[in-house]
Amino acid sequence: HVQLVESGGGLVKPGGSLRLSCAASGFTLSDYDMTWIRQAPGKGLEWVSKITSSGGAKYYSDSVRGRFTISRDTAKNSLYLEMNTLRVDDTAVYYCARNGGTFDPWGQGTLVTVSS
Amino acid sequence: EIVLTQSPGTLSLSPGERATLSCRASQSVSNSYLAWYQQKPGQAPRLLIYLASSRATDIPDRFSGSGSGTDFTLTISRLEPEDFAVYYCQQYGSSITFGGGTKVEIK
Repeated sequence: HVQLVESGGGLVKPGGSLRLSCAASGFTLSDYDMTWIRQAPGKGLEWVSKITSSGGAKYYSDSVRGRFTISRDTAKNSLYLEMNTLRVDDTAVYYCARNGGTFDPWGQGTLVTVSS
Repeated sequence: EIVLTQSPGTLSLSPGERATLSCRASQSVSNSYLAWYQQKPGQAPRLLIYLASSRATDIPDRFSGSGSGTDFTLTISRLEPEDFAVYYCQQYGSSITFGGGTKVEIK
């Protein structure tokens, strides 16, 4: 059964840092491009970052470039998102998703709240 | 960047009725790389349609997609109670963008 499970969300102050994790099961994460997508409360979906199957290329949205870093651990079959210099407008549910152009499956999401 | 505009913002219908959702792109979506997702409250989105008209695994045939170029449509032939949700289109022909969503609510 293919599954993604995120963790690591929580409440953090503006300027703080957080590391999100996404554990994959039922498939080998390094065989696929993987992506982080976020959704602010009551809002739509926003693509955040992507890592290619080879791990050789990483892409970021303009809104997070220079602050967020995507990575993975093939031994742990896990994807990560290191988030630094967090801002109030980074508040959102963060989803990891397997990326084949379309996104399928998605994890259940983890909530990041940036507030003083 | 390709901007996707979904309409209407909200669709109020009764179970058994037909739902027609629109997704319009600011420029042509190459190779009809257009997908549709369903999202229920508190849940992650679920892939329904890819390549504009191909149903994803285990998606009921009451869901159908059509269109090409800049105009795409998701049709739900007969609404079931579990179909009331928010629907998003997404293009993957040029980078990645999502539409703003259409909420299908019970009338």
